[in-house]
Amino acid sequence: DTGVSQDPRHKITKRGQNVTFRCDPISEHNRLYWYRQTLGQGPEFLTYFQNEAQLEKSRLLSDRFSAERPKGSFSTLEIQRTEQGDSAMYLCASRVEGNSPLHFGNGTRLTVT
Amino acid sequence: EDKVVQSPLSLVVHEGDTVTLNCSYEVTNFRSLLWYKQEKKAPTFLFMLTSSGIEKKSGRLSSILDKKELFSILNITATQTGDSAVYLCAVGGRGTASKLTFGTGTRL
Repeated sequence: DTGVSQDPRHKITKRGQNVTFRCDPISEHNRLYWYRQTLGQGPEFLTYFQNEAQLEKSRLLSDRFSAERPKGSFSTLEIQRTEQGDSAMYLCASRVEGNSPLHFGNGTRLTVT
Repeated sequence: EDKVVQSPLSLVVHEGDTVTLNCSYEVTNFRSLLWYKQEKKAPTFLFMLTSSGIEKKSGRLSSILDKKELFSILNITATQTGDSAVYLCAVGGRGTASKLTFGTGTRL
């Protein structure tokens, strides 16, 4: 169990630029989640994949956000035309089938200047 | 909409003290309640509770769920400096995603 891996760890970008984050879940986990966490808050759900299918998206996920999981393994989260309000920690988590706990990666901290 | 409220928001204790953290929730079609510990990075899993009245225990940490009153507590006995963290409570429903809804956490 190598854990959930996220890349990059930190990203500083200028407002208006596009950014892409990557998540590699635990290998046997077919369910993958993206969350966003701002200072002093708990993680907020963004989107969910079961294998390669994106089955649920939060209304927090504006049309500037897109996520993919093309082969049912790693996932990417892209934010287009970044805004200062996008500054947050983006957490990826995965789990197996059934009623099982989420395992989180260390997150990508995004700062939009 | 699912909701989780944790109290207190923050807590300062001395080493050796016993602390109790509280979590109340509202969720459609309850499936599970989970506790996580978050230091500087990823939340790490502590407990998952699905049934009322059954205590889960791991070392100095323990937790119990009351599904009738819709709350859970996390107890930490003989606290140590390494227990300093944010403790997050989350609930999962039975929807498509079985996603977790988190509280804002208690900073210990």
